[in-house]
Amino acid sequence: SQQGEEDPQALSIQEGENATMNCSYKTSINNLQWYRQNSGRGLVHLILIRSNEREKHSGRLRVTLDTSKKSSSLLITASRAADTASYFCATAGDTGRRALTFGSGTRLQVQP
Amino acid sequence: DGGITQSPKYLFRKEGQNVTLSCEQNLNHDAMYWYRQDPGQGLRLIYYSQIVNDFQKGDIAEGYSVSREKKESFPLTVTSAQKNPTAFYLCASSVKPGQGYEQYFGPGTRLTVT
Repeated sequence: SQQGEEDPQALSIQEGENATMNCSYKTSINNLQWYRQNSGRGLVHLILIRSNEREKHSGRLRVTLDTSKKSSSLLITASRAADTASYFCATAGDTGRRALTFGSGTRLQVQP
Repeated sequence: DGGITQSPKYLFRKEGQNVTLSCEQNLNHDAMYWYRQDPGQGLRLIYYSQIVNDFQKGDIAEGYSVSREKKESFPLTVTSAQKNPTAFYLCASSVKPGQGYEQYFGPGTRLTVT
């Protein structure tokens, strides 16, 4: 079952603009992770935010987590053409299965 | 050069044939995973293994089989029982099982069955 749902499904922006992607999930989580996938390639881990954290930064990435709303957002600031990719959130439940559940992804296109 | 390798990158098979996809890691990770990705969609978990000689079914295990005889290897067999096997298959590993660890992905194998 896919727990995470990303919004929007697709996003097109100009280079230099900020890109915001949202992820909603259904059940309690231990942590939430964001991954990036270039077309036809494997996924690359970007950032992990634990359930007791509200915000985390890594370079031009900013992730927020609101466990009361069961949602997370990924902000990419000052986007570049090289940021063009699909971005997935993945949730780690706080009980039971010992594997991540991935959402359906946001396809980001950054126009040069 | 550490990482996860998957081979081949592209694989073509006739319907009714079993096919085995290779996944090898030299990261000394305990846990390994197989996912399936269909066009424009997210990843769905097929099988995962927490340790050698152990594996667990994921969300879509029907028509697939795995083995974990060595820590570094986790091959996936797509059997003729899998109704719609054409997809992009991704292998991943993490240092330990459990959700607190990031996963490292291989480059994927694109399987086409005709």
